[in-house]
Amino acid sequence: DVKVTQSSRYLVKRTGEKVFLECVQDMDHENMFWYRQDPGLGLRLIYFSYDVKMKEKGDIPEGYSVSREKKERFSLILESASTNQTSMYLCASASFNQPQHFGDGTRLSIL
Amino acid sequence: AQSVAQPEDQVNVAEGNPLTVKCTYSVSGNPYLFWYVQYPNRGLQFLLKYITGDNLVKGSYGFEAEFNKSQTSFHLKKPSALVSDSALYFCAVRDQRTNAGKSTFGDGTTLTVKP
Repeated sequence: DVKVTQSSRYLVKRTGEKVFLECVQDMDHENMFWYRQDPGLGLRLIYFSYDVKMKEKGDIPEGYSVSREKKERFSLILESASTNQTSMYLCASASFNQPQHFGDGTRLSIL
Repeated sequence: AQSVAQPEDQVNVAEGNPLTVKCTYSVSGNPYLFWYVQYPNRGLQFLLKYITGDNLVKGSYGFEAEFNKSQTSFHLKKPSALVSDSALYFCAVRDQRTNAGKSTFGDGTTLTVKP
């Protein structure tokens, strides 16, 4: 079974902090994704990566950056956390044309 | 461009009754279509997909979906609902011509099955 592991289930940070969310997948998938999920807004794509060191902006990249130095790991970085970035963050991975496999999410609170 | 609409925020059914969760899509080319389910405090889990071939697709937990190209729909169905089917359901679409695996998700439909 594919496993996508997010480093934290719950995280509390302060405004202005630099925040790192880590995601690791164990199935050698080319594609990895970061979403945020907010009530009434569904899933919104922040960034995705289709290969090591390759990334593309999603629908809401402002205030975020990503890093993919190894195929199995995709990191989301909040450069200077703000309260409006309080959300559930979901990581996913997929092979080309196949369904995405999701982690259990990180619930991030910015105080 | 690609988009998905789930016109119902909430669907309520009685246990044992058939259920339908609606999804319509828009893509420039041919679609890949997916349904996912999310239980509280969990990530999304894949239910079923349409890539090509038969319009009726069968998936996990007794769910099925019918691809209708003329109506650009991909409604999720189950003949007999269970209380344990209560969850948040997402439809997703990807244009077969786009790169990588970037899908567009609907806003989700909350299914509540009452005993």
